[in-house]
Amino acid sequence: KNEVEQSPQNLTAQEGEFITINCSYSVGISALHWLQQHPGGGIVSLFMLSSGKKKHGRLIATINIQEKHSSLHITASHPRDSAVYICAVRSGGSNYKLTFGKGTLLTVNP
Amino acid sequence: EAQVTQNPRYLITVTGKKLTVTCSQNMNHEYMSWYRQDPGLGLRQIYYSMNVEVTDKGDVPEGYKVSRKEKRNFPLILESPSPNQTSLYFCASRIFPPLRANTGELFFGEGSRLTVL
Repeated sequence: KNEVEQSPQNLTAQEGEFITINCSYSVGISALHWLQQHPGGGIVSLFMLSSGKKKHGRLIATINIQEKHSSLHITASHPRDSAVYICAVRSGGSNYKLTFGKGTLLTVNP
Repeated sequence: EAQVTQNPRYLITVTGKKLTVTCSQNMNHEYMSWYRQDPGLGLRQIYYSMNVEVTDKGDVPEGYKVSRKEKRNFPLILESPSPNQTSLYFCASRIFPPLRANTGELFFGEGSRLTVL
């Protein structure tokens, strides 16, 4: 079973700061998802990565398959970025079982 | 509008009373899945389906059943609910296989909050 660790668990930032959230996993994977969940809200998919880097607006996700590590970066953070960010990995093979990290609670203060 | 719809959104029930949480998607996605979210434990996968009549267990399948008779629907069945199944449940879908590398995002329903007394 894949173990997924996220760090930090909690992060408080000032508006405008550059944010990095990390995700490490123990077993080789075929894909990694970054998800966002606002308090009391639903879950939105931000990225799905199997290699390299992806960018969407102020969000950037990278993955290093050899080091079993992914990072989510937020540039010019804003209070509306306050949410829980969740990493999920799909192990290799033909199945699509997902294992989730426990999430990182980000609070961006104005 | 592309969406995943879950019903009911909120439900309070009693131990042993069978219930079904429905999930429907309008994106013609092959893959559908159920998750539960609990404080301190995060999200955990219950069951998933790669296509019609193809289902498989996730990490916490005990006490749940699923079926995939149609591509758009993937109901979650609790035959005899117990208090430890009190949780927030999410359904999700995605295209499978992905059309190209680094694509294939998950689309989530809004969640169903279930309380079993």
